[in-house]
Amino acid sequence: EADIYQTPRYLVIGTGKKITLECSQTMGHDKMYWYQQDPGMELHLIHYSYGVNSTEKGDLSSESTVSRIRTEHFPLTLESARPSHTSQYLCASSEGSSGTDTQYFGPGTRLTVL
Amino acid sequence: GEDVEQSLFLSVREGDSSVINCTYTDSSSTYLYWYKQEPGAGLQLLTYIFSNMDMKQDQRLTVLLNKKDKHLSLRIADTQTGDSAIYFCAESSNTGGFKTIFGAGTRLFVKA
Repeated sequence: EADIYQTPRYLVIGTGKKITLECSQTMGHDKMYWYQQDPGMELHLIHYSYGVNSTEKGDLSSESTVSRIRTEHFPLTLESARPSHTSQYLCASSEGSSGTDTQYFGPGTRLTVL
Repeated sequence: GEDVEQSLFLSVREGDSSVINCTYTDSSSTYLYWYKQEPGAGLQLLTYIFSNMDMKQDQRLTVLLNKKDKHLSLRIADTQTGDSAIYFCAESSNTGGFKTIFGAGTRLFVKA
């Protein structure tokens, strides 16, 4: 059972609002990721982190920002939400040190921007 | 860059076997994975195979790897309606730091 949590699960918000999507894991994993996924579609990596104070942009350009101040916490922030940000956001983590890079996924946050 | 490709849809009848195929381009792949995503949920690891293996079996799941052709398949025996989901193929290598590439996912529909 993966111990990775995302809140909120669902969020409906108006254009221009600032939002933060929370992601926490209790497995002590060094690597964490944010993916954007339209329903039933492919995953797009938007941010990742190899450890505390490490953040990198992913393959898909995103207006969101992330921070990694603590190992277990990897929040994603949108300063000014727009309807184009409507999507599902999946957080994941992996041990990342050696062996497999098995990723453990949270349940996702479904964001709707009106 | 590295790429992972899958067919988008597969439809089977309940009780039949399902075979989901995947091709990848990274010749330095170390591990190959199959993840399952049910509606409204995150991805869940089903199984993985190390690149020096040809086959791995786990209950109803059989993974076949043809490293020469860079082809991976997932066979689900006795497919049930609960197997309806999106199945993602992924590969990782430790070249330049571990990085995992996901395919676009195959949507499996199981008809009763």
